Amino acid sequence: GQQVMQIPQYQHVQEGEDFTTYCNSSTTLSNIQWYKQRPGGHPVFLIQLVKSGEVKKQKRLTFQFGEAKKNSSLHITATQTTDVGTYFCAGGAYSGAGSYQLTFGKGTKLSVIP
Amino acid sequence: NAGVTQTPKFQVLKTGQSMTLQCAQDMNHEYMSWYRQDPGMGLRLIHYSVGAGITDQGEVPNGYNVSRSTTEDFPLRLLSAAPSQTSVYFCASSLGWDRSYEQYFGPGTRLTVT
Repeated sequence: GQQVMQIPQYQHVQEGEDFTTYCNSSTTLSNIQWYKQRPGGHPVFLIQLVKSGEVKKQKRLTFQFGEAKKNSSLHITATQTTDVGTYFCAGGAYSGAGSYQLTFGKGTKLSVIP
Repeated sequence: NAGVTQTPKFQVLKTGQSMTLQCAQDMNHEYMSWYRQDPGMGLRLIHYSVGAGITDQGEVPNGYNVSRSTTEDFPLRLLSAAPSQTSVYFCASSLGWDRSYEQYFGPGTRLTVT
């Protein structure tokens, strides 16, 4: 079945440093979604990428979708304490039978040291 | 709109007890799903529904039942609770089920089985 691997599992950074999390799929994806979960909270949708090589930016966050549509990354520039949380990627793909499946990575937990 | 609501927020069960986790959404979303979140395991799909009267199994369905009699409600039933079902349970909904739609998550139910 479809597998989505996400690394690293944990990342500790000093405030102001950059942060990147990577997502890799065992199969070609139709789309990739990114979610953020604050400590004690629930996942909240950040963005979706659907095109090969697509790059989207949200303020200090940059999202990329690989050319082969099998990998993606989230990069945060100059982290702030408000960036603390777990970031999940979720890869979407259609099976041979045409059914759609969205598979979540295990997430990267970001800690920011003030 | 209240979005996705879940009750209860916390629950402690003894092994062998049964209970129902409630989930409701007021956004007229066709698609609803249940996930469980365990440390280091990310979000795993338990059951999902693409519309009223239609349900299907996800990745980890054993020990859980669902039904979808209305568009708004999607309860999750634990038939005979086991310690392995100790987890945080999230209900999610989306407008549809393909690559176009983001998932809206409820606040979660934290379940402990002793």
